[in-house]
Amino acid sequence: EAGVTQSPTHLIKTRGQQATLRCSPISGHTSVYWYQQALGLGLQFLLWYDEGEERNRGNFPPRFSGRQFPNYSSELNVNALELEDSALYLCASSREGNLARGNQPQHFGDGTRLSIL
Amino acid sequence: GDSVTQMEGPVTLSEEAFLTINCTYTATGYPSLFWYVQYPGEGLQLLLKATKADDKGSNKGFEATYRKETTSFHLEKGSVQVSDSAVYFCALSPLYNQGGKLIFGQGTELSVKP
Repeated sequence: EAGVTQSPTHLIKTRGQQATLRCSPISGHTSVYWYQQALGLGLQFLLWYDEGEERNRGNFPPRFSGRQFPNYSSELNVNALELEDSALYLCASSREGNLARGNQPQHFGDGTRLSIL
Repeated sequence: GDSVTQMEGPVTLSEEAFLTINCTYTATGYPSLFWYVQYPGEGLQLLLKATKADDKGSNKGFEATYRKETTSFHLEKGSVQVSDSAVYFCALSPLYNQGGKLIFGQGTELSVKP
């Protein structure tokens, strides 16, 4: 089966611009998660979408937003880009939202490398 | 709150050496536990998982056993290869994961020399 796909692979922006990152989950997966991996900061949870709804968000400002489409693909939007937004943004998907039991693993894409100049 | 602690890296080993990367967790109840691997320039790949106490996850020669009594999930491999050089992340998902997110350790970098 095809894995999680993310686009673009690399994105270069300047401060104040807006960035859009895209993610297609594994077929049959309804939940999509976004994480930020900044240098030295580990993996930080950003957003969780399930069945088109935002279910949870991490400790990030409102200029980080996103949505999930009817085909379960998702996009992450970052407005008013700042230098510290430079990071690898990882998307993951899983079969069902981890509501009943947290035993469904999340499968990750290769990420979008966002660089802010 | 729930948390995961991994041994600090980098870990440097010679090819064919035995590998252990320690992982301990704090969580209520019985979380599910995972090991992910991140090769240079790539995303995270699920390496193995265990969903209940005493489960042993295994894949590609790597193993980890869910130890409830010591709240640990140490990763082991009997004979590492240069191709195993990567960053390894231990993660947990709470039993009833209302927040959806995985809780990750800080990652342990492994470097295997020929």
